[in-house]
Amino acid sequence: GENVEQHPSTLSVQEGDSAVIKCTYSDSASNYFPWYKQELGKRPQLIIDIRSNVGEKKDQRIAVTLNKTAKHFSLHITETQPEDSAVYFCAASIPDNTDKLIFGTGTRLQVFP
Amino acid sequence: ETGVTQTPRHLVMGMTNKKSLKCEQHLGHNAMYWYKQSAKKPLELMFVYNFKEQTENNSVPSRFSPECPNSSHLFLHLHTLQPEDSALYLCASSRREDTEAFFGQGTRLTVV
Repeated sequence: GENVEQHPSTLSVQEGDSAVIKCTYSDSASNYFPWYKQELGKRPQLIIDIRSNVGEKKDQRIAVTLNKTAKHFSLHITETQPEDSAVYFCAASIPDNTDKLIFGTGTRLQVFP
Repeated sequence: ETGVTQTPRHLVMGMTNKKSLKCEQHLGHNAMYWYKQSAKKPLELMFVYNFKEQTENNSVPSRFSPECPNSSHLFLHLHTLQPEDSALYLCASSRREDTEAFFGQGTRLTVV
């Protein structure tokens, strides 16, 4: 079945450093790849997304890259701040008639001041 | 607020109880989802409804029974649950699978 793998499961960085989270997906027909941030005790919220017709997208300190050939995509956070500490989930759409969005297993990012 | 509301926020139930979780969205979205979030599987898809029709049942035990009476409301009926069913149950909605999914705050369920 469809699968999204996410690595690493935990990531600790010093404030100001960069953080990279990687995901791979199995369905080559997937065409939408969002990233969600879930702060402690809160709901997941979209922070950035990318579609299959684009290779890279940037929004201030956050960027996402997509390699369709290799079926992997990555989240890059530069100049990390303590408020970036959260669990990050990648996801991939399954473009069949079921309207599914399959999530990765999450990465717990801790930014130390 | 994302426009997706879940009630109750917390629920404690015994293994013989019957309860229901409710999710409501007025964003005009066509798709609604139930996810289970636990330490074992951080965000596990349970059910998908598209235009009120169930399009996905991700091998969920029959003690979980979803209901979608209209495109704005989604229920999860619970009966004879097990302690391992204790988790955060998140509802989400989206226009379709390739657009942003908006999550509710979740219901923290504890089965005793």
